[in-house]
Amino acid sequence: EDQVTQSPEALRLQEGESSSLNCSYTVSGLRGLFWYRQDPGKGPEFLFTLYSAGEEKEKERLKATLTKKESFLHITAPKPEDSATYLCAVQTLTGGSYIPTFGRGTSLIVHP
Amino acid sequence: DSGVTQTPKHLITATGQRVTLRCSPRSGDLSVYWYQQSLDQGLQFLIQYYNGEERAKGNILERFSAQQFPDLHSELNLSSLELGDSALYFCASSDRAQGVETQYFGPGTRLLVL
Repeated sequence: EDQVTQSPEALRLQEGESSSLNCSYTVSGLRGLFWYRQDPGKGPEFLFTLYSAGEEKEKERLKATLTKKESFLHITAPKPEDSATYLCAVQTLTGGSYIPTFGRGTSLIVHP
Repeated sequence: DSGVTQTPKHLITATGQRVTLRCSPRSGDLSVYWYQQSLDQGLQFLIQYYNGEERAKGNILERFSAQQFPDLHSELNLSSLELGDSALYFCASSDRAQGVETQYFGPGTRLLVL
């Protein structure tokens, strides 16, 4: 069974304190790994797609990287507005269909 | 604003009842995905439709069904509701026939089953 595990479950940072979120996966036939941001009571917002080991994507203070077993979301000098739950998802090809599997998320709080 | 709309925003009903959730995708998107998000299960993929046809099926219960209409809006029907069906239900849309790259999520429907 495909599994996606995110750690830590919760993270508290001071403004400007850089850190990383982890997403480890055990899947067969990976067809992409995705990062989303979700604010309370809202739908997830797409951040990045990564397809192959060694790939990196950046957007403002966020940088996503991918290895064969895990992905990291690095947050550099975070601001309070970066507070949200960050979701990782993998997509696999199963029975001819692309199936997404999400992790439980990391809840990030950035204190001013 | 993602451009995906969902109605209603909130729904309160009783066990054993049936409800219909509605989703309108972004203009031009042909794919609609349905997800369930609960505290104990996280975000779970239910089903995908592309241009009116079912494309992929996830952990959708037999009591649940969905369809996509010619105008591309989609409905998720939940029947014989149980307390455990209380959750946030999201739909998302994309312009792809397969794969979930760059999905745009709606604001969700919060369902409470009493």
